Amino acid sequence: AQTVTQSQPEMSVQEAETVTLSCTYDTSESDYYLFWYKQPPSRQMILVIRQEAYKQQNATENRFSVNFQKAAKSFSLKISDSQLGDAAMYFCAYRSEYGNKLVFGAGTILRVKS
Amino acid sequence: DAGVTQSPTHLIKTRGQQVTLRCSPISGHKSVSWYQQVLGQGPQFIFQYYEKEERGRGNFPDRFSARQFPNYSSELNVNALLLGDSALYLCASNRGAGGQYADTQYFGPGTRLTVL
Repeated sequence: AQTVTQSQPEMSVQEAETVTLSCTYDTSESDYYLFWYKQPPSRQMILVIRQEAYKQQNATENRFSVNFQKAAKSFSLKISDSQLGDAAMYFCAYRSEYGNKLVFGAGTILRVKS
Repeated sequence: DAGVTQSPTHLIKTRGQQVTLRCSPISGHKSVSWYQQVLGQGPQFIFQYYEKEERGRGNFPDRFSARQFPNYSSELNVNALLLGDSALYLCASNRGAGGQYADTQYFGPGTRLTVL
């Protein structure tokens, strides 16, 4: 079974600075999908960014980018120019090539200081 | 377009009771998945339904059941509630059944269930 590990329970960043959230996963599959979701206190889970394992190029969405290291099974999220609205719980998630089930990590709470 | 909607927002039940949670997917989405999120943890997969058929089931007891209707909305039922069932129940929708379709799941705001 696949597992996702987020080793940082909590992170803090100063407004306008850059922060990186870590995620590692375990799988025997060669093709799969990885996601970062954001869950603010309002609890609505919002997709931040996604990465297909077959793509070598790292995904980027505005201030959000990932560092996908397939051999190391690592999928970190970098947030540039952090804003107060980025404060939330961030979840890393894995989805097999086959099926619809998302496997989530335990999450990282991100606090943004003004 | 409207996002995924869930009802009710909050629910308080006592042990042994039964509960029904409802979810309406995004228009055009035929797949609905249910997740349980216990406080302080990541969501755990419960079920996936596609075109009214169960396509996936997580490691949950038979007290949990679900169904999908012709309009693709879905209900999650939990019987004989236990204190440990207290959680945020999330519904997510996407277009396809999964697999190589590779489409993204979009989540609703969740239903907070408290079992006393």
